Amino acid sequence: QQQVKQSPQSLIVQKGGISIINCAYENTAFDYFPWYQQFPGKGPALLIAIRPDVSEKKEGRFTISFNKSAKQFSLHIMDSQPGDSATYFCAASLSGAGSYQLTFGKGTKLSVIP
Amino acid sequence: DTAVSQTPKYLVTQMGNDKSIKCEQNLGHDTMYWYKQDSKKFLKIMFSYNNKELIINETVPNRFSPKSPDKAHLNLHINSLELGDSAVYFCASSQDRLDAQYFGPGTRLTVT
Repeated sequence: QQQVKQSPQSLIVQKGGISIINCAYENTAFDYFPWYQQFPGKGPALLIAIRPDVSEKKEGRFTISFNKSAKQFSLHIMDSQPGDSATYFCAASLSGAGSYQLTFGKGTKLSVIP
Repeated sequence: DTAVSQTPKYLVTQMGNDKSIKCEQNLGHDTMYWYKQDSKKFLKIMFSYNNKELIINETVPNRFSPKSPDKAHLNLHINSLELGDSAVYFCASSQDRLDAQYFGPGTRLTVT
């Protein structure tokens, strides 16, 4: 019930294309859904986050789509660039006790080829 | 200035040894965390420490213990190291549950 399932495990996209990464969760007590980006040899960094009271959030080329009824959310990277090549993690945070802990998906390795 | 720093960056040690990893944040955040990232890149929360409240992930062996001398530091002590402890350990901090967690650069621990 604490899991966040992420797919695909890896993704290859042409430069200029759209990268889409999907996540699904079971626990309806999750109420905060961030995406983190990690480059090799570095720590993860927050990319964008959403609360379940909105269905979409856009920041530059990055958009989160959120479907509360389906318990799914996805990251869309428009006009993907080689510099976007990294591992992307979706995550979820529970409200209530232990609420500071993020549950991460298993990550998606994105490669954007020129 | 580095927001979240960890030392050492690399740590190679033998089975059975005891080691510590230090973490410091200069962001003034109230909550700090330790994560373990395994060879498959899976990130797993180990501990969170907020206003003196320690929340432990139930799957973490009691050989691991966090120690916080003050709000800006959360060190990780590991006793009787095992081969399976080899991983990258990340420290992180955040101001609030709904704020970004800022991660340190990681400590790659190799147990031989």
